[in-house]
Amino acid sequence: DGGITQSPKYLFRKEGQNVTLSCEQNLNHDAMYWYRQDPGQGLRLIYYSQIVNDFQKGDIAEGYSVSREKKESFPLTVTSAQKNPTAFYLCASSIYAADTQYFGPGTRLTVL
Amino acid sequence: RKEVEQDPGPFNVPEGATVAFNCTYSNSASQSFFWYRQDCRKEPKLLMSVYSSGNEDGRFTAQLNRASQYISLLIRDSKLSDSATYLCVVNNIDYGGSQGNLIFGKGTKLSVKP
Repeated sequence: DGGITQSPKYLFRKEGQNVTLSCEQNLNHDAMYWYRQDPGQGLRLIYYSQIVNDFQKGDIAEGYSVSREKKESFPLTVTSAQKNPTAFYLCASSIYAADTQYFGPGTRLTVL
Repeated sequence: RKEVEQDPGPFNVPEGATVAFNCTYSNSASQSFFWYRQDCRKEPKLLMSVYSSGNEDGRFTAQLNRASQYISLLIRDSKLSDSATYLCVVNNIDYGGSQGNLIFGKGTKLSVKP
């Protein structure tokens, strides 16, 4: 079954700890994205990657880091520098930038 | 900052009603337009792409007005299962002409009541 997966679905961490969110796709898409969504708010772009070994900052990259070593994988690390990390994190992919994006089920991160 | 603006609602309608949402966008060079649906605590899912000629998929009709820079979504014969938040999405062409990424509106909430 082709698709995009994120794990875990729920994640709890103590303040000050780094945490890495997984995103994998087997759609053979070149572009991948990370968004953050807060309650009642829209999607805000954290980082995106249009091709392997390349990525760019989105609108709210501070306190986050990513890597794109493989086409299928785009992990997001939420570092201790991120002031308000509790949120719903969504990963998406598309054949190319500006094309239809397909989303994973998301990870709800709660920092205690 | 390129923006996509939507009325947040909520739109509360009875089953069987026809409801319409509008969305305005600020980047006149945008080329790709979509409507996504997002259920509570779930990921957004593509509802339909919006073409210059407009398009229809069953009870759903999308229209694009480039001159006025707005997109509309019409839902006929509303079902209880249509209750969700509808996101307007536009691509953001930058000044260099590259396609850019998608910009998501904050969404319009629809609640269909029995």
